[in-house]
Amino acid sequence: AQTVTQSQPEMSVQEAETVTLSCTYDTSENNYYLFWYKQPPSRQMILVIRQEAYKQQNATENRFSVNFQKAAKSFSLKISDSQLGDTAMYFCAFMGYSGNTGKLIFGQGTTLQVKP
Amino acid sequence: DVKVTQSSRYLVKRTGEKVFLECVQDMDHENMFWYRQDPGLGLRLIYFSYDVKMKEKGDIPEGYSVSREKKERFSLILESASTNQTSMYLCASSLLARPTLAQFFGPGTRLTVL
Repeated sequence: AQTVTQSQPEMSVQEAETVTLSCTYDTSENNYYLFWYKQPPSRQMILVIRQEAYKQQNATENRFSVNFQKAAKSFSLKISDSQLGDTAMYFCAFMGYSGNTGKLIFGQGTTLQVKP
Repeated sequence: DVKVTQSSRYLVKRTGEKVFLECVQDMDHENMFWYRQDPGLGLRLIYFSYDVKMKEKGDIPEGYSVSREKKERFSLILESASTNQTSMYLCASSLLARPTLAQFFGPGTRLTVL
């Protein structure tokens, strides 16, 4: 069975600095998808960034980028130039490719606080 | 603007009550999901549905049932609420044809069972 692990329950960063959130996963599949979701306080969860495992190039979305290490089964999220609005809980998630039904497996979450 | 809405943001019920949590999406998505979110455990899948009247168990279906009579609506039912079902419940939806694009989430219902 696939598992996703986020080993940092809480993190903080000063505004304008860079922070990296860690995520590791375990799977026997070769093709799959990885996601980072953001859940701001009292607001809806939204997709931050998505990575397809067959693509070697790391995904980027503006200030958000990932470091995808397939052999190490690692998928970290880097937030550059942190802003107060980045304060949220961040979830790493895995979706298998075979028999794809759209099911996601989530990590435990990392609460990020951006300090002014 | 795409939307997933849930019937209540906060709900307080008593042990043994039957509880209905409703979710509605306006994106014509086939897939719909119910998760519960607990501190330190992340999101865990309770049930999902990929079509009207179709349902599949997720990782923690015990104590829950679901209903999907219309494409846009997916209900989670707690037949006899218990205190260990106190949690945040999140609904989500996605396209069957493109499930890897994203799941869209509702705002959540924080359920307290006394």
